Amino acid sequence: EAQVTQNPRYLITVTGKKLTVTCSQNMNHEYMSWYRQDPGLGLRQIYYSMNVEVTDKGDVPEGYKVSRKEKRNFPLILESPSPNQTSLYFCASSLFGGGVSSPLHFGNGTRLTVT
Amino acid sequence: DQQVKQNSPSLSVQEGRISILNCDYTNSMFDYFLWYKKYPAEGPTFLISISSIKDKNEDGRFTVFLNKSAKHLSLHIVPSQPGDSAVYFCAASAQTNAGKSTFGDGTTLTVKP
Repeated sequence: EAQVTQNPRYLITVTGKKLTVTCSQNMNHEYMSWYRQDPGLGLRQIYYSMNVEVTDKGDVPEGYKVSRKEKRNFPLILESPSPNQTSLYFCASSLFGGGVSSPLHFGNGTRLTVT
Repeated sequence: DQQVKQNSPSLSVQEGRISILNCDYTNSMFDYFLWYKKYPAEGPTFLISISSIKDKNEDGRFTVFLNKSAKHLSLHIVPSQPGDSAVYFCAASAQTNAGKSTFGDGTTLTVKP
C-alpha cells in the first residue's frame, strides 16, 4: 500500500532533550516536506526537500533540522525542543513539489508535547 | 502576512444541499491551487486541484472555481453527504517555487443528516 509513515504518533518530552521524528514513503517520490499544524494557524511548512541531499527552509524552520540522505526517508530533528514546538506535525511527499500535477500525500501525524 | 485565507472557520449544511467553501489569496505568483480534506486523527488527503489557466475543475460531486482577478477560489460540494464532514484546507503554490506550499487555516464542514 502506498503510504507515508511517521513515527511516533505521540511523543511527550522535556525541554532540551533532543528528539527525532521519522518519516518514510514507499512511492519513490522525489519531494518530501514537513508541516506543523497549530490551532488557528493552519498548516505551516517547516522544511522541504526537492530531491536527495537537497533541502530548503519553509516558513517556520527555526529550531528544526532535517536531512535527506536517501529518497524514502526525511527525518525531522529537534536538537533542543522548547514548549513552543508543542504541535501536530505532518510529513508529506509528492512526485515533484506540491503543484496541481503532484498533490501531496500526508502521513497520519505526530503529536508532540514539550514540557 | 497570511497569503492564503479561509475566512470561515466553520460551515454547517443539511445533507443533500450544496456546501460552498471559500479561499482567498494575496500572492499573484500562485498558479496552482489544491483542496485537501482532513478527518480527525488522520493526515490531510488530496481532494481536487486547479491551475491558473482554468477557471473551473470538476470531479464528481466536487467542483473548484477560480477567479484570478479577485484572487478567490471556492469549493462546491453537491450534494453534500454526512461523510463529507471534515476540515477542508485550501493550498497554493507557484510553479516558480514548487517546493513551497502555503495553506489556509482550514474550514470545518459539518453535514447534518
